[in-house]
Amino acid sequence: DIQMTQSPASLSASLEEIVTITCQASQDIGNWLAWYQQKPGKSPQLLIYGATSLADGVPSRFSGNRSGTQYSLKISRLQVEDIGSYYCQQAHSNPRTFGGGTKLELK
Amino acid sequence: QVQLKESGPGLVQPSQTLSLTCTVSGFSLTSYSVHWVRQHSGKSLEWMGRMWSDGDTSYNSGFTSRLSISRDTSKSQVFLKMNSLRTEDTGTYYCASGDNWFAYWGQGTLVTVSS
Repeated sequence: DIQMTQSPASLSASLEEIVTITCQASQDIGNWLAWYQQKPGKSPQLLIYGATSLADGVPSRFSGNRSGTQYSLKISRLQVEDIGSYYCQQAHSNPRTFGGGTKLELK
Repeated sequence: QVQLKESGPGLVQPSQTLSLTCTVSGFSLTSYSVHWVRQHSGKSLEWMGRMWSDGDTSYNSGFTSRLSISRDTSKSQVFLKMNSLRTEDTGTYYCASGDNWFAYWGQGTLVTVSS
């Protein structure tokens, strides 16, 4: 199975701050990566697919990047509504696997 | 619009079988895959298996032979059955649609395995 190592596990940031979350794949997955946001008590929502493409309705302050087998999610100016947990997911092969998650809190 | 909704018992006894239903609307099961994803409380997400649009299935080997996914296209429903339940199977079970990534999710259903 492909392992997705996500960091940090938790993050405290201030409003308007730039936030970056990373995921390291255990092998080459190309651009077969997605990012999700999950707010407490809610289902995950797709943010980024294909490593860099923004899902419908997602604010442009979110962006995805890839460098080899390392992937990053960037929030350019943190807003209150961005608080929650974030997960990466590889779509290269079965079983689909997720990163361990990053819990983002306000400082 | 696309919607998915899980239904099933909230409480199951250990060693028993879990049966969940995912009812979809806004798309055809013959056009898109439906997946089952589990989440333990406060933990990450775990992909369980998939019903392909052509009726084929794929499973996470971590569930060995405990898991079965089927469907009824006439009712737009996908079913999950998992036997030999253990307390560690307690969690929220989601169905989600998409071929590579999961663009649409159900609200999730909490399943507690306890006697």
